[in-house]
Amino acid sequence: QLQLQESGPGLVKPSETLSLTCSVSGGSIRSNNYYWGWVRQPPGKGLEWLGSIYYSGSTYYNPSLKSRVTMSVDTSKNQFSLKLSSVTAADTAVYYCATSRGYGSGTSYYFYYMDVWGKGTTVTVSS
Amino acid sequence: QSALTQPASVSGSPGQSITISCTGTSSDVGSYNLVSWYQQHPGKAPKLMIYEGTKRPSGVSNRFSGSKSGNTASLTISGLQAEDEADYYCCSYGGSSTLVIFGGGTKLTVL
Repeated sequence: QLQLQESGPGLVKPSETLSLTCSVSGGSIRSNNYYWGWVRQPPGKGLEWLGSIYYSGSTYYNPSLKSRVTMSVDTSKNQFSLKLSSVTAADTAVYYCATSRGYGSGTSYYFYYMDVWGKGTTVTVSS
Repeated sequence: QSALTQPASVSGSPGQSITISCTGTSSDVGSYNLVSWYQQHPGKAPKLMIYEGTKRPSGVSNRFSGSKSGNTASLTISGLQAEDEADYYCCSYGGSSTLVIFGGGTKLTVL
Protein backbone atom coordinates (compact mmCIF):
# COMPACT_ATOMS: atom_id res chain seq x y z
CA GLN A 1 0.00 0.00 0.00
CA LEU A 2 1.47 3.29 -1.11
CA GLN A 3 2.37 5.71 1.69
CA LEU A 4 3.78 9.22 1.55
CA GLN A 5 5.61 11.15 4.29
CA GLU A 6 6.63 14.79 4.21
CA SER A 7 9.75 16.04 5.96
CA GLY A 8 11.62 19.30 6.30
CA PRO A 9 12.17 22.35 8.51
CA GLY A 10 9.14 23.59 10.38
CA LEU A 11 10.43 27.16 10.51
CA VAL A 12 11.79 29.21 7.63
CA LYS A 13 12.92 32.84 7.69
CA PRO A 14 11.34 35.41 5.37
CA SER A 15 13.09 35.76 2.00
CA GLU A 16 14.70 32.34 2.36
CA THR A 17 13.87 29.11 0.50
CA LEU A 18 11.46 26.53 1.87
CA SER A 19 12.60 22.97 1.14
CA LEU A 20 10.49 19.85 1.71
CA THR A 21 10.89 16.21 0.79
CA CYS A 22 8.26 13.54 0.32
CA SER A 23 9.34 9.93 0.88
CA VAL A 24 7.41 7.25 -0.97
CA SER A 25 7.03 3.76 0.49
CA GLY A 26 5.06 0.73 -0.63
CA GLY A 27 5.68 1.45 -4.29
CA SER A 28 8.12 2.91 -6.77
CA ILE A 29 8.36 6.57 -7.64
CA ARG A 30 9.18 5.34 -11.16
CA SER A 31 5.61 4.06 -11.56
CA ASN A 32 4.01 5.23 -14.79
CA ASN A 33 0.65 5.33 -12.96
CA TYR A 34 1.41 8.45 -10.98
CA TYR A 35 2.53 12.00 -11.05
CA TRP A 36 3.65 13.32 -7.68
CA GLY A 37 2.13 16.52 -6.33
CA TRP A 38 2.20 19.16 -3.64
CA VAL A 39 -0.75 20.97 -2.09
CA ARG A 40 -0.72 23.49 0.74
CA GLN A 41 -3.29 24.84 3.19
CA PRO A 42 -2.75 28.11 5.08
CA PRO A 43 -4.15 28.16 8.62
CA GLY A 44 -7.95 28.25 8.53
CA LYS A 45 -8.03 28.44 4.74
CA GLY A 46 -8.59 26.19 1.74
CA LEU A 47 -6.38 23.98 -0.38
CA GLU A 48 -4.00 25.27 -3.05
CA TRP A 49 -2.30 23.11 -5.69
CA LEU A 50 1.40 23.93 -6.01
CA GLY A 51 2.40 21.57 -8.80
CA SER A 52 3.06 18.03 -9.99
CA ILE A 53 6.11 16.15 -11.25
CA TYR A 54 6.63 12.88 -13.15
CA TYR A 55 9.50 10.57 -12.34
CA SER A 56 11.16 11.55 -15.61
CA GLY A 57 11.42 15.10 -14.30
CA SER A 58 8.55 16.70 -16.25
CA THR A 59 7.05 19.42 -14.09
CA TYR A 60 3.79 21.35 -14.06
CA TYR A 61 3.41 24.29 -11.71
CA ASN A 62 0.64 26.53 -10.45
CA PRO A 63 0.97 29.58 -12.74
CA SER A 64 0.60 31.96 -9.78
CA LEU A 65 3.65 30.44 -8.05
CA LYS A 66 5.65 29.30 -11.05
CA SER A 67 8.43 31.86 -10.60
CA ARG A 68 9.15 30.63 -7.06
CA VAL A 69 8.49 26.86 -7.23
CA THR A 70 10.92 24.11 -8.17
CA MET A 71 10.15 20.39 -7.93
CA SER A 72 12.53 17.50 -8.40
CA VAL A 73 12.64 13.72 -8.14
CA ASP A 74 15.33 11.47 -6.67
CA THR A 75 14.57 8.00 -7.99
CA SER A 76 17.49 6.45 -6.08
CA LYS A 77 15.91 7.51 -2.79
CA ASN A 78 12.28 7.10 -3.90
CA GLN A 79 11.66 10.72 -2.97
CA PHE A 80 10.47 13.92 -4.55
CA SER A 81 11.03 17.46 -3.35
CA LEU A 82 9.61 20.95 -3.28
CA LYS A 83 11.50 24.22 -3.11
CA LEU A 84 9.70 27.54 -2.70
CA SER A 85 11.91 30.61 -2.86
CA SER A 86 11.59 34.11 -1.41
CA VAL A 87 9.04 33.05 1.18
CA THR A 88 6.87 35.44 3.16
CA ALA A 89 4.40 35.00 5.99
CA ALA A 90 1.75 34.22 3.36
CA ASP A 91 3.57 30.95 2.65
CA THR A 92 2.89 29.72 6.19
CA ALA A 93 0.81 26.59 5.71
CA VAL A 94 0.46 22.86 6.08
CA TYR A 95 2.18 21.31 3.07
CA TYR A 96 0.92 17.99 1.74
CA CYS A 97 2.45 15.67 -0.81
CA ALA A 98 0.15 13.37 -2.75
CA THR A 99 -0.08 11.09 -5.74
CA SER A 100 -1.38 13.10 -8.66
CA ARG A 101 -3.28 11.23 -11.35
CA GLY A 102 -3.24 12.78 -14.74
CA TYR A 103 -1.63 12.86 -18.12
CA GLY A 104 1.17 15.07 -19.34
CA SER A 105 2.28 15.72 -22.89
CA GLY A 106 4.90 18.32 -23.57
CA THR A 107 3.78 21.51 -21.90
CA SER A 108 0.22 20.27 -21.39
CA TYR A 109 -0.94 18.54 -18.20
CA TYR A 110 -4.41 17.10 -17.71
CA PHE A 111 -5.04 16.76 -13.97
CA TYR A 112 -7.49 14.10 -12.86
CA TYR A 113 -7.28 13.80 -9.05
CA MET A 114 -5.06 13.16 -6.04
CA ASP A 115 -5.71 9.87 -4.29
CA VAL A 116 -2.95 9.07 -1.77
CA TRP A 117 -1.93 11.84 0.59
CA GLY A 118 0.79 12.32 3.17
CA LYS A 119 -0.20 13.47 6.65
CA GLY A 120 1.14 16.96 6.00
CA THR A 121 3.86 19.05 7.57
CA THR A 122 3.47 22.51 9.06
CA VAL A 123 5.81 25.22 7.83
CA THR A 124 5.89 28.60 9.52
CA VAL A 125 7.61 31.58 7.93
CA SER A 126 8.89 33.87 10.63
CA SER A 127 12.05 35.63 11.68
CA GLN B 1 -8.13 32.20 -12.06
CA SER B 2 -10.53 32.44 -9.11
CA ALA B 3 -11.32 29.46 -6.92
CA LEU B 4 -14.35 27.35 -7.68
CA THR B 5 -17.37 28.61 -5.72
CA GLN B 6 -18.73 26.49 -2.88
CA PRO B 7 -21.17 27.41 -0.10
CA ALA B 8 -19.30 28.18 3.10
CA SER B 9 -21.46 25.84 5.12
CA VAL B 10 -24.26 23.31 4.90
CA SER B 11 -26.00 21.31 7.58
CA GLY B 12 -28.33 18.38 7.93
CA SER B 13 -29.71 15.95 10.47
CA PRO B 14 -28.67 12.31 10.72
CA GLY B 15 -30.35 10.24 8.03
CA GLN B 16 -31.05 13.19 5.77
CA SER B 17 -29.42 13.98 2.45
CA ILE B 18 -27.43 17.11 1.62
CA THR B 19 -25.90 18.47 -1.55
CA ILE B 20 -22.82 20.66 -1.85
CA SER B 21 -22.45 22.66 -5.03
CA CYS B 22 -19.25 23.65 -6.80
CA THR B 23 -19.60 26.31 -9.47
CA GLY B 24 -16.93 27.01 -12.03
CA THR B 25 -16.92 28.24 -15.59
CA SER B 26 -17.09 26.88 -19.10
CA SER B 27 -13.26 26.82 -19.01
CA ASP B 28 -13.02 24.33 -16.16
CA VAL B 29 -15.97 22.46 -14.62
CA GLY B 30 -18.16 22.94 -17.67
CA SER B 31 -15.62 21.65 -20.16
CA TYR B 32 -14.28 18.51 -18.49
CA ASN B 33 -15.54 15.56 -16.46
CA LEU B 34 -12.56 15.99 -14.16
CA VAL B 35 -14.07 17.21 -10.89
CA SER B 36 -12.87 15.52 -7.71
CA TRP B 37 -14.14 15.88 -4.17
CA TYR B 38 -12.17 15.65 -0.93
CA GLN B 39 -13.25 15.21 2.67
CA GLN B 40 -11.09 16.73 5.38
CA HIS B 41 -11.54 16.21 9.09
CA PRO B 42 -9.87 18.72 11.45
CA GLY B 43 -6.12 18.25 11.62
CA LYS B 44 -6.17 15.49 9.00
CA ALA B 45 -5.13 15.18 5.39
CA PRO B 46 -7.77 15.41 2.67
CA LYS B 47 -9.34 12.14 1.54
CA LEU B 48 -10.50 11.51 -2.02
CA MET B 49 -14.26 10.81 -2.08
CA ILE B 50 -15.23 11.27 -5.75
CA TYR B 51 -13.12 11.48 -8.89
CA GLU B 52 -13.84 12.18 -12.54
CA GLY B 53 -17.14 13.68 -11.54
CA THR B 54 -19.05 10.57 -10.52
CA LYS B 55 -16.64 7.75 -9.64
CA ARG B 56 -16.07 6.49 -6.10
CA PRO B 57 -12.69 5.11 -4.99
CA SER B 58 -12.66 1.67 -3.45
CA GLY B 59 -13.66 1.87 0.20
CA VAL B 60 -15.73 5.05 -0.05
CA SER B 61 -19.34 4.59 1.01
CA ASN B 62 -21.98 4.56 -1.72
CA ARG B 63 -23.77 7.23 0.32
CA PHE B 64 -21.47 9.66 -1.48
CA SER B 65 -22.26 10.51 -5.08
CA GLY B 66 -21.21 13.13 -7.61
CA SER B 67 -22.92 14.79 -10.52
CA LYS B 68 -22.61 17.75 -12.86
CA SER B 69 -24.89 20.12 -14.70
CA GLY B 70 -23.38 22.77 -16.90
CA ASN B 71 -20.70 24.65 -14.98
CA THR B 72 -21.78 23.30 -11.59
CA ALA B 73 -20.69 20.04 -10.00
CA SER B 74 -22.39 18.62 -6.95
CA LEU B 75 -21.59 16.22 -4.13
CA THR B 76 -24.55 14.50 -2.50
CA ILE B 77 -24.32 12.67 0.79
CA SER B 78 -27.31 10.52 1.64
CA GLY B 79 -28.15 8.98 5.01
CA LEU B 80 -26.05 11.56 6.87
CA GLN B 81 -23.96 10.19 9.71
CA ALA B 82 -22.12 11.98 12.48
CA GLU B 83 -18.76 11.01 11.00
CA ASP B 84 -19.61 12.87 7.78
CA GLU B 85 -19.10 16.16 9.63
CA ALA B 86 -16.03 17.63 7.95
CA ASP B 87 -14.86 20.14 5.38
CA TYR B 88 -15.41 19.24 1.74
CA TYR B 89 -13.43 20.60 -1.20
CA CYS B 90 -14.08 20.30 -4.90
CA CYS B 91 -11.27 20.41 -7.43
CA SER B 92 -11.18 20.56 -11.19
CA TYR B 93 -8.83 20.55 -14.12
CA GLY B 94 -8.74 24.22 -15.01
CA GLY B 95 -7.61 24.12 -18.62
CA SER B 96 -4.18 24.67 -20.10
CA SER B 97 -3.54 28.02 -18.43
CA THR B 98 -4.70 27.26 -14.89
CA LEU B 99 -4.20 23.48 -14.71
CA VAL B 100 -5.68 22.74 -11.25
CA ILE B 101 -8.23 24.75 -9.29
CA PHE B 102 -9.80 24.06 -5.88
CA GLY B 103 -13.04 25.30 -4.40
CA GLY B 104 -12.98 27.37 -1.23
CA GLY B 105 -14.37 24.52 0.85
CA THR B 106 -17.68 23.78 2.57
CA LYS B 107 -18.09 22.98 6.23
CA LEU B 108 -20.69 20.27 6.76
CA THR B 109 -22.36 20.19 10.15
CA VAL B 110 -24.41 17.17 11.18
CA LEU B 111 -27.01 18.49 13.60
